[in-house]
Amino acid sequence: GAVVSQHPSWVICKSGTSVKIECRSLDFQATTMFWYRQFPKQSLMLMATSNEGSKATYEQGVEKDKFLINHASLTLSTLTVTSAHPEDSSFYICSARGPLAGSYEQYFGPGTRLTVT
Amino acid sequence: AQSVTQLGSHVSVSEGALVLLRCNYSSSVPPYLFWYVQYPNQGLQLLLKYTTGATLVKGINGFEAEFKKSETSFHLTKPSAHMSDAAEYFCAVSEGSYGGSQGNLIFGKGTKLSVKP
Repeated sequence: GAVVSQHPSWVICKSGTSVKIECRSLDFQATTMFWYRQFPKQSLMLMATSNEGSKATYEQGVEKDKFLINHASLTLSTLTVTSAHPEDSSFYICSARGPLAGSYEQYFGPGTRLTVT
Repeated sequence: AQSVTQLGSHVSVSEGALVLLRCNYSSSVPPYLFWYVQYPNQGLQLLLKYTTGATLVKGINGFEAEFKKSETSFHLTKPSAHMSDAAEYFCAVSEGSYGGSQGNLIFGKGTKLSVKP
């Protein structure tokens, strides 16, 4: 149980285009999902916290107009990288908290490798 | 504010040798502590966690860690390394149930473990 999927697992796009990444909790409902970014050989940096039915909370330094997060249901959150540039190339990982109410544990998706050319 | 320090960005051991990955944390409230493992181009998998209770916690794949409050440490150990243990390991801290931060995880920079035959 507590499986989180991401789609796509990797994507290549051209500079200036937008890319949407999906994060799904497959067997539980997640009121809170997190989006992380990981540069090569570095740690995970929290980008934003997504709560179902409300606006995401972005970490300092993360452009909310560039990284659009939508958490439309209890099993799906999406991250859209708008007007992507090569410096947005990175590994994006989502996690979902749950499944039990008040749970602190996060379950991680397998990640999405974004390459912007 | 919370923080995590992992000593040694790269640790190399021989197969069958003891694995010791170091993690020190700082937290103004009793912390929840986690160790995650990441294989190349994959998401994070939880190895073990400490919340309350017994300070020596056992996880998957033969790993264990001991919470030492006086030393603010949560070092990860395994008595005998296996080739399949080669991966990146991340220590993380959260405020757990104290989290006005929604229990966000703060990650260390990671330690790459190499296992020599």
